Amino acid sequence: RKEVEQDPGPFNVPEGATVAFNCTYSNSASQSFFWYRQDCRKEPKLLMSVYSSGNEDGRFTAQLNRASQYISLLIRDSKLSDSATYLCAVNKGGSSYKLIFGSGTRLLVRP
Amino acid sequence: DVKVTQSSRYLVKRTGEKVFLECVQDMDHENMFWYRQDPGLGLRLIYFSYDVKMKEKGDIPEGYSVSREKKERFSLILESASTNQTSMYLCASRPGTGVSQPQHFGDGTRLSIL
Repeated sequence: RKEVEQDPGPFNVPEGATVAFNCTYSNSASQSFFWYRQDCRKEPKLLMSVYSSGNEDGRFTAQLNRASQYISLLIRDSKLSDSATYLCAVNKGGSSYKLIFGSGTRLLVRP
Repeated sequence: DVKVTQSSRYLVKRTGEKVFLECVQDMDHENMFWYRQDPGLGLRLIYFSYDVKMKEKGDIPEGYSVSREKKERFSLILESASTNQTSMYLCASRPGTGVSQPQHFGDGTRLSIL
């Protein structure tokens, strides 16, 4: 089993739709969680950190479910510009600052 | 804003050459990382450095070495380039304090080994 797993997609949704991605992780000792966005042939850019109580940034909401060991990203009112690959990242456990990245979920938002 | 700068966006080298990839960050970050990213394999950690002159192997260090002589600069060295090292190389940095600090990436170097 991979340490961090994501559905590769692609998720093909119309503009204005709500879409959600999950990311499962295997190490119950992981303490820090992130979502990154990566455009084609570009570097990953931090979208948001994921906090224990969940957090929101505009149209984006991140949740953490420790019991089931997954994090989620919800995008509301999708825009064409949201089309990208979304990578989750989880620290290796405890106080480790090494991150394990998922392979990414591709999102395509169509007009 | 965090600025992580990689020396080249695109690089073409020949098999057997010694290749240097440079990364500089301007935020006084203690931790720096080198990854490679390949289709279907995701981001894989090659080496990281938690402070000046400190380095540790990541998951795929074979064929690579690193140098961190100054805090702001982290260099990746391909000792004798091979075609299977053709890839996108990404440098990242983060502050050394707190596990909740994210990594910030440079814009990557696309390296082709012919």
